Amino acid sequence: RKEVEQDPGPFNVPEGATVAFNCTYSNSASQSFFWYRQDCRKEPKLLMSVYSSGNEDGRFTAQLNRASQYISLLIRDSKLSDSATYLCVVGLNAGNNRKLIWGLGTSLAVNP
Amino acid sequence: SQTIHQWPATLVQPVGSPLSLECTVEGTSNPNLYWYRQAAGRGLQLLFYSVGIGQISSEVPQNLSASRPQDRQFILSSKKLLLSDSGFYLCAWMRTGSQETQYFGPGTRLLVL
Repeated sequence: RKEVEQDPGPFNVPEGATVAFNCTYSNSASQSFFWYRQDCRKEPKLLMSVYSSGNEDGRFTAQLNRASQYISLLIRDSKLSDSATYLCVVGLNAGNNRKLIWGLGTSLAVNP
Repeated sequence: SQTIHQWPATLVQPVGSPLSLECTVEGTSNPNLYWYRQAAGRGLQLLFYSVGIGQISSEVPQNLSASRPQDRQFILSSKKLLLSDSGFYLCAWMRTGSQETQYFGPGTRLLVL
């Protein structure tokens, strides 16, 4: 089983749609959780951290379920500019280093 | 604010040639530094990380090596490139001991022919 699993997609949605991505992780000792966005041929950029109580940033809502080891990202009112690959990332502390475990990403295409 | 630089942006090298990619961070001190590779259509693979000057940890055995000669400088090298070394090389930094996450440089796209 992969340490962080995501549906690779692609998700093709029309502008204005609501789309949800899911992610599961295998290590129950995971301590922090993030969603990154990666545009084609660019570096990954932090979209948002994911907190236990859930958090929202504009059109983006992230949820964490520690019991089920499940993370989600909801995008409302999709824009063309939301087209990208969304990476689920889980953090583990390992001594004086912090290790991030990366999912392979979910591809989103928002169509006009 | 912190910034991270990588160069070159793109590189085409013949098989068997040497490689040196450089990464520097500004606006912070004693960061953790990371080298990743992303092959076409693949996920991020952690190659090396460093928690301080001269301290390098390797995640996977390979044809590459890393060095950290200065606090905010991280170098990825190879003596002889292989075709399989082609990919998108990303340097990242993170504050030491924090609960924060990693921030990436713009990357170097390497094609070995």
